[in-house]
Amino acid sequence: EAGVTQSPTHLIKTRGQQATLRCSPISGHTSVYWYQQALGLGLQFLLWYDEGEERNRGNFPPRFSGRQFPNYSSELNVNALELEDSALYLCASSPGQASRQETQYFGPGTRLLVL
Amino acid sequence: EDQVTQSPEALRLQEGESSSLNCSYTVSGLRGLFWYRQDPGKGPEFLFTLYSAGEEKEKERLKATLTKKESFLHITAPKPEDSATYLCAVDSGGYNKLIFGAGTRLAVHP
Repeated sequence: EAGVTQSPTHLIKTRGQQATLRCSPISGHTSVYWYQQALGLGLQFLLWYDEGEERNRGNFPPRFSGRQFPNYSSELNVNALELEDSALYLCASSPGQASRQETQYFGPGTRLLVL
Repeated sequence: EDQVTQSPEALRLQEGESSSLNCSYTVSGLRGLFWYRQDPGKGPEFLFTLYSAGEEKEKERLKATLTKKESFLHITAPKPEDSATYLCAVDSGGYNKLIFGAGTRLAVHP
């Protein structure tokens, strides 16, 4: 069974640009989560999508946004990039709200570097 | 405020030297405690989910236990391939937002 996949693996942008990161969940999973892992800060929760709706949001500015598509894949957009946005962005998936199993399974991440 | 603290920050072991990693937590209502393993530059790999005090789970050389205030990850006779950062996370409040600890960096030397 394929795990969570993310693309691209690496992304280099300059300050002020926009970045788009993509995630495909494990087959059958309807919930997708985004986390930021910046150097020295640990994993920080960004967003949770389930059945196409945003269900929860972490303490990040509005320039971090996303969406979930009908096939349950997801996109994270970061507008007006700042140097401190440089981090590993991790996507995770879980079976969804209808299931009692809420374990989140992570993808390999997208390394974003803002110059 | 929900909080997760892991100790020690770093641990160096000789191959075969058993030890334990600690994860203490303060949450309003625990819905689950999760252990992950993360290798450098990669995504966290799921190890265990624990739901209630007294619960234990095992996988190969690893055993996770849970009390009302903390969890332990016991590593028995570790091998060099067990070297990684071990992350503890909690889910509280029903919003599926995992709160992670800073992790324990484990190095196992032959």
